[in-house]
Amino acid sequence: DAKTTQPPSMDCAEGRAANLPCNHSTISGNEYVYWYRQIHSQGPQYIIHGLKNNETNEMASLIITEDRKSSTLILPHATLRDTAVYYCIVRDDNAGNMLTFGGGTRLMVKP
Amino acid sequence: DSGVTQTPKHLITATGQRVTLRCSPRSGDLSVYWYQQSLDQGLQFLIHYYNGEERAKGNILERFSAQQFPDLHSELNLSSLELGDSALYFCASSGPSGLNEQFFGPGTRLTVL
Repeated sequence: DAKTTQPPSMDCAEGRAANLPCNHSTISGNEYVYWYRQIHSQGPQYIIHGLKNNETNEMASLIITEDRKSSTLILPHATLRDTAVYYCIVRDDNAGNMLTFGGGTRLMVKP
Repeated sequence: DSGVTQTPKHLITATGQRVTLRCSPRSGDLSVYWYQQSLDQGLQFLIHYYNGEERAKGNILERFSAQQFPDLHSELNLSSLELGDSALYFCASSGPSGLNEQFFGPGTRLTVL
């Protein structure tokens, strides 16, 4: 799997948009970008995934650059409950189904 | 609530002992995955079962083994426990497609004293 690079930590004011970047410059054509988050020591929670088009669901939006070398997860109105570690994962459907977690970004939403 | 259940929630045991962690996947999910999260190693994939068959192995020690039963629940067996095995153990399940999102259980916190 291609590796990802994320900033170790970020802060965001409550009510503002949280924009979490991820670099995956070695991504190949059949690899998807997945985002998960882990709140405290709970089990990781799936957020969103995409291949090349931007995606939006009830939790977040995923913006993937045209060259697919980076992406941004957007939480449009962050709340205190969004404080968590966010993991960007690149996943190849031919390389097995496991998720390879990196260090993630620790997002702290502040009042 | 992801629909994945894990028992027990906490487990405290001594070095050299053997424990069994149990996971029930979401209704209809055929795939079960086990992950270990320790302070120094982060979240690491251990093993994947699909409909009773082992599909992939990750960084799973020889002292660890798993199985998936006909009712699709899975058990992770950890033997000859060492202090370094203290960690959170998560189970996840997913649908049939390789790209289906994985739904994680609440985890079992294992403490080896």
